[in-house]
Amino acid sequence: DSGVTQTPKHLITATGQRVTLRCSPRSGDLSVYWYQQSLDQGLQFLIQYYNGEERAKGNILERFSAQQFPDLHSELNLSSLELGDSALYFCASSVLAAGPGGGNYGYTFGSGTRLTVV
Amino acid sequence: GIQVEQSPPDLILQEGANSTLRCNFSDSVNNLQWFHQNPWGQLINLFYIPSGTKQNGRLSATTVATERYSLLYISSSQTTDSGVYFCAVGWDSNYQLIWGAGTKLIIKP
Repeated sequence: DSGVTQTPKHLITATGQRVTLRCSPRSGDLSVYWYQQSLDQGLQFLIQYYNGEERAKGNILERFSAQQFPDLHSELNLSSLELGDSALYFCASSVLAAGPGGGNYGYTFGSGTRLTVV
Repeated sequence: GIQVEQSPPDLILQEGANSTLRCNFSDSVNNLQWFHQNPWGQLINLFYIPSGTKQNGRLSATTVATERYSLLYISSSQTTDSGVYFCAVGWDSNYQLIWGAGTKLIIKP
């Protein structure tokens, strides 16, 4: 157990629907990062939050949004889902106020949410 | 933008063998990390190594920033080393990481 908890682990939904992915960072970590991994590809950075505020934005679609709550858990909302949104969605956390590069302490990743859009 | 190329794309070895994975990048970076994604999808940060050499058990990594490449060495491979190894680079610690396509490693018993 890495200490970063993502729920649900699997999600199957239809095109046009909206889903919410949840991430609880490792205890003491203030930064949360969201990544998308499409089939057999590397990770694409989506967005980072630090202590409740958006810190950096990557290749995140306008249909997607995220937030970090006062208890530091984060949610990624995906709406008007398309077949191409099927992917593994990872959350990672780090203790420092590092940018999406994670600083010299790197990240701790959750186990991911596998989203299948049918 | 910066390009990251990893080689080889696939590698199949017998248990006990040594391996070298390579990461080439097209521009200057001062953030480079190696990750391992196991067959169950879990991602683990192996090294933060923008330059120099680091070792952690059977794994070591070397980055030659001036020549724009990094190498990950795995010695005495075990079946648990199987998975995909990713290299990710950035311009500094506050910029998003650009990920390579990975090297898929299969260690046979």
